[in-house]
Amino acid sequence: NAGVMQNPRHLVRRRGQEARLRCSPMKGHSHVYWYRQLPEEGLKFMVYLQKENIIDESGMPKERFSAEFPKEGPSILRIQQVVRGDSAAYFCASSPDSGRDQPQHFGDGTRLSIL
Amino acid sequence: AQSVTQPDIHITVSEGASLELRCNYSYGATPYLFWYVQSPGQGLQLLLKYFSGDTLVQGIKGFEAEFKRSQSSFNLRKPSVHWSDAAEYFCAVTGPTYKYIFGTGTRLKVLA
Repeated sequence: NAGVMQNPRHLVRRRGQEARLRCSPMKGHSHVYWYRQLPEEGLKFMVYLQKENIIDESGMPKERFSAEFPKEGPSILRIQQVVRGDSAAYFCASSPDSGRDQPQHFGDGTRLSIL
Repeated sequence: AQSVTQPDIHITVSEGASLELRCNYSYGATPYLFWYVQSPGQGLQLLLKYFSGDTLVQGIKGFEAEFKRSQSSFNLRKPSVHWSDAAEYFCAVTGPTYKYIFGTGTRLKVLA
């Protein structure tokens, strides 16, 4: 499968635990975007990364959330000390560059549930 | 700031009937517009996109959309709906940057 791969598909955490969501972009894509979809809402931009760099994190909550895209390996979205309000679907997208005319290709998402 | 409005939260059509899903955007310059479809438990699949040129764009699965600058709209259409089209549809716009601004989606139900 040459598409955007996200894992796990489903993740259950208790309040106060940490959640780690992984995203491997499409082959040849070096630009990664994370979006969050709350129930009954559209997707909201969180962060944009290139290899080893965070380009734009204007949509990320200021606390508890962080993202990285190391030189080797997948991009990671990390949520520390999760709370009930973090329950959502988290989608990763990738593109070959950041031009407006480059459609972003989405993974199947990680559904995060907080008990 | 850019924004997207999808006024219909739910739409129900009979199989074989025509379909139009509405999308209105707000952006001062020429927008880049997209329609994506999301099946339950799945990610988003790109149906079509508009950047410039012909205002009627053809997409996959028999869908098309028409860009109307005067109405700030980018409505999605299909002449004959199939049961497999039941899903949620999202309209999105990008402005001067890569950030997608999504509408809240329209959930399509297809009656046999």
